[in-house]
Amino acid sequence: EVQLVESGGGSVQPGGSLRLSCAASGFTFSNYWMHWVRQAPGKGLVWVSRINRDGSSTTYADSVKGRFTMSRDNAKNTLYLQMNSLRAEDTALYYCVRETITGTGLDYWGQGTLVTVSS
Amino acid sequence: QSALTQPASVSGSPGQSITISCTGTSSDVGANNYVSWYQQHPGKAPKLMIYDVSNRPSGVSNRFSGSKSGNTASLTISGLQAEDEADYYCNSYTSSSTWVFGGGTKLTVL
Repeated sequence: EVQLVESGGGSVQPGGSLRLSCAASGFTFSNYWMHWVRQAPGKGLVWVSRINRDGSSTTYADSVKGRFTMSRDNAKNTLYLQMNSLRAEDTALYYCVRETITGTGLDYWGQGTLVTVSS
Repeated sequence: QSALTQPASVSGSPGQSITISCTGTSSDVGANNYVSWYQQHPGKAPKLMIYDVSNRPSGVSNRFSGSKSGNTASLTISGLQAEDEADYYCNSYTSSSTWVFGGGTKLTVL
């Protein structure tokens, strides 16, 4: 069974940092591109970032570019999101998501980890 | 990276069909056939319902179908059932190698 379990969320002051982790199991992690998607309370889904299979290439939404860094450790089957210079508008539930093997959909989602940025 | 445009809400009675539109630009929806749709029930993670504009993953009911014309994609749900009541989001790959979601549509089954 495919499982994606996020951790690392919490409360942080504006300007602070957090590192999210996502432990993957039930599939060959290194064969899949992975994403982070966020959802502010009561709001819609927003795509955040994507990483290729070996971690050599990443892309980001403009809203987080230069502040967030996505990475992966295929030996540990773990995905990461380093979030720096956090702002109130980064407050959201952050989902770790697997891309389909064909690369045209997001087929497995974790349950999310909540990040709250507030003074 | 503007969000794709979806109606805020749609509604229908059990057994009826409804269609949710998703309008983008020539840089996203109109640029390729990488449009997908997601269903999200309250408090739950989203679920992939349609990929590649019109393909259904294994296990998704054939009451769900997708299509695209120009810069607008559509999700049609036929034979509406109570359990279809949820939020629906479209998504597209873009010419900038990023992904973008629509704002979401709340489906109410009357």
